Amino acid sequence: DAGVIQSPRHEVTEMGQEVTLRCKPISGHNSLFWYRQTMMRGLELLIYFNNNVPIDDSGMPEDRFSAKMPNASFSTLKIQPSEPRDSAVYFCASSFSGRSQETQYFGPGTRLLVL
Amino acid sequence: GEDVEQSLFLSVREGDSSVINCTYTDSSSTYLYWYKQEPGAGLQLLTYIFSNMDMKQDQRLTVLLNKKDKHLSLRIADTQTGDSAIYFCAERRITGGGNKLTFGTGTQLKVEL
Repeated sequence: DAGVIQSPRHEVTEMGQEVTLRCKPISGHNSLFWYRQTMMRGLELLIYFNNNVPIDDSGMPEDRFSAKMPNASFSTLKIQPSEPRDSAVYFCASSFSGRSQETQYFGPGTRLLVL
Repeated sequence: GEDVEQSLFLSVREGDSSVINCTYTDSSSTYLYWYKQEPGAGLQLLTYIFSNMDMKQDQRLTVLLNKKDKHLSLRIADTQTGDSAIYFCAERRITGGGNKLTFGTGTQLKVEL
């Protein structure tokens, strides 16, 4: 299995630009999670989906952030417009909801730098 | 409180045991996890424990759970330089419509020769 795939691995952009982060979960998993990691705030859950439906988006910072999951094998996290304080590592994780233990498997992350 | 708490740093000598501690918040949490993050990488599951267990051992790793005090620990025996990483504990809180993990702040383990 290829694991969770994220793209791009690195992104450098200028303030005000739109940024789109992509995630392909592990085949067969039905839950998908977007996290943000910074030195100051640690690891924060932004949003998660179950069977392609957003379940909890309470961690999404503000309206500039949006996430979609059009099908079971693809999700995007979009920031528009981006700001320097959005600089962070963004992780996608997936799991199979239904097993009692439900391990989350993480992707390698996208390192975003907004200048 | 709402936070899962861990100490930020731990330094040990190679060959010694490391003990990383965590205090979680929700007594109804069913599973507790330990993840490892190496520099520049994502989080990797190390082990987990079900809440009705007190201890779980997996090779060099021993997890102890004290439900009364909501305290979780990870012991790494014979710590090696390759164990240098950030270790996160996480609790699985049951929420309406699905489950999510709440992560601690992470403990950076440094293994010295």
